Formats: sequence, structure tokens, C-alpha cells
Amino acid sequence: EAQVTQNPRYLITVTGKKLTVTCSQNMNHEYMSWYRQDPGLGLRQIYYSMNVEVTDKGDVPEGYKVSRKEKRNFPLILESPSPNQTSLYFCASSSGTGGKTQYFGPGTRLLVL
Amino acid sequence: QKEVEQNSGPLSVPEGAIASLNCTYSDRGSQSFFWYRQYSGKSPELIMFIYSNGDKEDGRFTAQLNKASQYVSLLIRDSQPSDSATYLCAVMRGTNAGKSTFGDGTTLTVKP
Repeated sequence: EAQVTQNPRYLITVTGKKLTVTCSQNMNHEYMSWYRQDPGLGLRQIYYSMNVEVTDKGDVPEGYKVSRKEKRNFPLILESPSPNQTSLYFCASSSGTGGKTQYFGPGTRLLVL
Repeated sequence: QKEVEQNSGPLSVPEGAIASLNCTYSDRGSQSFFWYRQYSGKSPELIMFIYSNGDKEDGRFTAQLNKASQYVSLLIRDSQPSDSATYLCAVMRGTNAGKSTFGDGTTLTVKP
């Protein structure tokens, strides 16, 4: 089954404790992206990747890191989480740029205390 | 001004009516336009995409794009209660393909 998976689905952590949210897709897609969704602010892009070892900032990259060492994986790293990073996070992938369908993962709900 | 703005909701229509959702964008370099549907507690899923001026139809859904006026709309004909969801407009910039901007979404309720 073609899918984007994220782990963990739910996470409660404390300020400053490094965490990683994993994202994996099994569709051999070149393009992957991370978004956060907050009430009243919609979906905002954090980082995206056009292919292995190619990443770029979205609209809200501060406080986040990403890496793309393999085509299928695109982890999101919060090295020192803060309460304002409490949010719902979505990973997405697509077969190319310029408008191909983005498939979203199930989401990761993060609470930073 | 937000880069992508959607008409404020919530929007409520009776079953069988036409629901009209609107979106405007500020970046004239934008080339790809998308409508996603998101049910409460679920992930967004693509309904339509459009690249060229004019209308694009898919079943009960019609996307309309007017680049000169910088707006894109989604019409849902014969609305069903199952169409009740939040609809997100997204724009992908032509000069930096891969970077996507979403609107805040419009919540649609279709009443039986």
C-alpha cells in the first residue's frame, strides 16, 4: 500500500529535550516536505526536499532541522524544543515538483511543556 | 496581507446546493494551484489541481483559475453531507518549485 508514515503519532516532551519525528514514504517520491498546522494559521511549510541531499527552507524553518540521506526518509529534528513548537506536524511526499499530488502522512501531534 | 487568503467561514449550504470556495494569492509568479480537503482530525487530501487559466472539471468539482485577477475558486455541485470538511487552497511558486503556501482554510458544512 502506497503511504507516508510518521512516528511517533503523539509526543509529549519538555522544553529543551531534543526529539526527532520520522517520516518515511514507500512511493519512491523525489519530493518531501514538512508542515505544521496550528489553529487559525493553517498549514505552514517548515522545510522541503527536492531529492536526496537537497533541502530548502519553507516559511517557518526556525527551530527545526531536516536531513535527506535516503530517498524514502525525511526526519524532522527539534534540537531544543520550545512550547511555541507545540503543534500538529504533517509530512508529505510527491513524485515531483511543479504541482504533482502531495500525499500527506497521518500527522504527529506534539506537546512541548 | 497573507500570501494566500481564503474566504472566511464557516460556510453552510443545504444538501444539493452549489458550494463556492474562493482563494486569492499575492505572488504573480505562482504557477500551480491546489485544493485539498481535510476532514476533522485527518490529513489533507488533494481534490483538484489547476495550472492554466479557465475551468477544470472533475465530477462534482470544478476549479477555476484567473491569473490576471490572482484568484482560484472551487465549486462543489450537488453538495453532500460527506463534503462537510475544511477546504485548503495551496499555491506553489513557479520560480522556486517545491515551496508551497496554504491558505487558512474554509470550513464547509452541508446540511441534510
